[in-house]
Amino acid sequence: GAVVSQHPSWVICKSGTSVKIECRSLDFQATTMFWYRQFPKQSLMLMATSNEGSKATYEQGVEKDKFLINHASLTLSTLTVTSAHPEDSSFYICSVTLSGRGKEQFFGPGTRLTVL
Amino acid sequence: AQSVTQLDSHVSVSEGTPVLLRCNYSSSYSPSLFWYVQHPNKGLQLLLKYTSAATLVKGINGFEAEFKKSETSFHLTKPSAHMSDAAEYFCVVSEGPGGSYIPTFGRGTSLIVHP
Repeated sequence: GAVVSQHPSWVICKSGTSVKIECRSLDFQATTMFWYRQFPKQSLMLMATSNEGSKATYEQGVEKDKFLINHASLTLSTLTVTSAHPEDSSFYICSVTLSGRGKEQFFGPGTRLTVL
Repeated sequence: AQSVTQLDSHVSVSEGTPVLLRCNYSSSYSPSLFWYVQHPNKGLQLLLKYTSAATLVKGINGFEAEFKKSETSFHLTKPSAHMSDAAEYFCVVSEGPGGSYIPTFGRGTSLIVHP
């Protein structure tokens, strides 16, 4: 069964609004959570890495005030896209590493964000 | 520093013929290597992983990969392609001093399977 869930699976919003995406590790405590964005026909681009209870580490070029990450618990991380614009439209994917499973990542099904 | 190169952006095969998806890596540490598959508008699914145990790794759906340190390669193979194998494939290297596990993705290889 699925190890990681994401909600919502797709969202359409107006320019200027904020959108929250949830990533949950089901039945397991995640040691680390990763957030990626993926443009069509392209690879995944790592946005940030987060550990429970600490601030997320953002990759170079990713605006931390634009993409707010809250890692509230060992099983939940949220990505909020603030004041979304059409260029933020993308496929956002989270992944987790689990205690005892080394570096293997378990990916969520992704969230398709479309900003009008 | 680590990097991963997927040598082919597209690979086209006929159903029933062998599949070879190439991946080369560089790493300052003993790396962990992974192959993931992504079907359209879906998340990624792990096919197989190398974590310093056996160099020939068998995965799901008949895929396997061989870790060759001397060639810094981790090519993905399958003896006989199936239509359902058509998807995007990503090679991933992960290393990190102190176990930071920051992954690096290849650009992806699109596998096209013709009937």
